[in-house]
Amino acid sequence: LAKTTQPISMDSYEGQEVNITCSHNNIATNDYITWYQQFPSQGPRFIIQGYKTKVTNEVASLFIPADRKSSTLSLPRVSLSDTAVYYCLVGDLNAGNNRKLIWGLGTSLAVNP
Amino acid sequence: EPEVTQTPSHQVTQMGQEVILRCVPISNHLYFYWYRQILGQKVEFLVSFYNNEISEKSEIFDDQFSVERPDGSNFTLKIRSTKLEDSAMYFCASSGSSVNQPQHFGDGTRLSIL
Repeated sequence: LAKTTQPISMDSYEGQEVNITCSHNNIATNDYITWYQQFPSQGPRFIIQGYKTKVTNEVASLFIPADRKSSTLSLPRVSLSDTAVYYCLVGDLNAGNNRKLIWGLGTSLAVNP
Repeated sequence: EPEVTQTPSHQVTQMGQEVILRCVPISNHLYFYWYRQILGQKVEFLVSFYNNEISEKSEIFDDQFSVERPDGSNFTLKIRSTKLEDSAMYFCASSGSSVNQPQHFGDGTRLSIL
């Protein structure tokens, strides 16, 4: 399973765009990139997932370069409620029954007024 | 939007006692998981479950742990003879059968061992 590296913490202000980059140099051909958000005392919440290029949903965008050795989660116009820990995970979602997720420490995002 | 539900939200138990943590996965999902998160630490995989059997388990998931899907809706984690170090948040997750479907998590059970 690929290891990921993210900044431990980031600070931003309301209304700004926040980009969190994750490195996964050893990503395998079948691995997908998935981002989760976690608030204190709550379970991780799925944000977005991609394999290559760009993926966009109502919450965020995910940019993946051609070599797939990194990915960037982009949160447009953050608000105070976006203060949370963001996790980048890579794994082979096609791996039969073996779909466990290996977690790092994530990026603690603080959005200030 | 369908969600994973876990009960109880908080469980306090004396060391050495047995606890059962309950989860109701999303109804059409086929893959089920338990994770734990010790306060201030990262989320750790415990076990995955598919087709009524364990698919994979971590080294944390030793003989004191067991999982069961007793009926069509519940998925339980049993911890026998709890220890102080079992104190943590325990998260249940489920995912569908189609490829690339992400895991969806419940809000967890906070287990406190006294």
